[in-house]
Amino acid sequence: KQEVTQIPAALSVPEGENLVLNCSFTDSAIYNLQWFRQDPGKGLTSLLLIQSSQREQTSGRLNASLDKSSGRSTLYIAASQPGDSATYLCAVHSGGGADGLTFGKGTHLIIQP
Amino acid sequence: NAGVTQTPKFQVLKTGQSMTLQCAQDMNHNSMYWYRQDPGMGLRLIYYSASEGTTDKGEVPNGYNVSRLNKREFSLRLESAAPSQTSVYFCASSADNTGELFFGEGSRLTVL
Repeated sequence: KQEVTQIPAALSVPEGENLVLNCSFTDSAIYNLQWFRQDPGKGLTSLLLIQSSQREQTSGRLNASLDKSSGRSTLYIAASQPGDSATYLCAVHSGGGADGLTFGKGTHLIIQP
Repeated sequence: NAGVTQTPKFQVLKTGQSMTLQCAQDMNHNSMYWYRQDPGMGLRLIYYSASEGTTDKGEVPNGYNVSRLNKREFSLRLESAAPSQTSVYFCASSADNTGELFFGEGSRLTVL
């Protein structure tokens, strides 16, 4: 059974820093991996989707990479801003329908002004 | 730009009462899902529907029923609410070609 781990569970950094959030998974046979952002009391907003054949995806200040062989994905946030404060979740789709989707428990990120 | 729309956003029930959470998507997706999110437990799949007319159980289906009314709408029903069903419920749909998931804003349910 796929297991997805996000470390650290919480992170606080000063504004302007570049930072990396980690997502690790136990089974490298994945279909895709998706990063989400969740603001308090809100739903999950899709940030980046990486298909299994891809190595990385970029959107603005965000860059997500995927290394299936090592079971890792990283979300790189450049020049962090207070508005980036949120919980970031990764979800790994291992195929086989909806029950093949496994979520990490997220990293709670605080950007200090 | 509606995406996935859930109603109601908040609901308080007494133990034993019933209610239905409604979900609609306007992206013409075949697959739709209901998740619950609890502190420390993460997101857990309740039920999903791979296409109109089909539904399947997820990880935590007990105490819930679903209906895929048409391609747009997927509802979740609690027949006899219990305090253990106090949670935030999310509806989602996924793009047929990429598998990208899109979530609604959530429905906060409290069962007293």
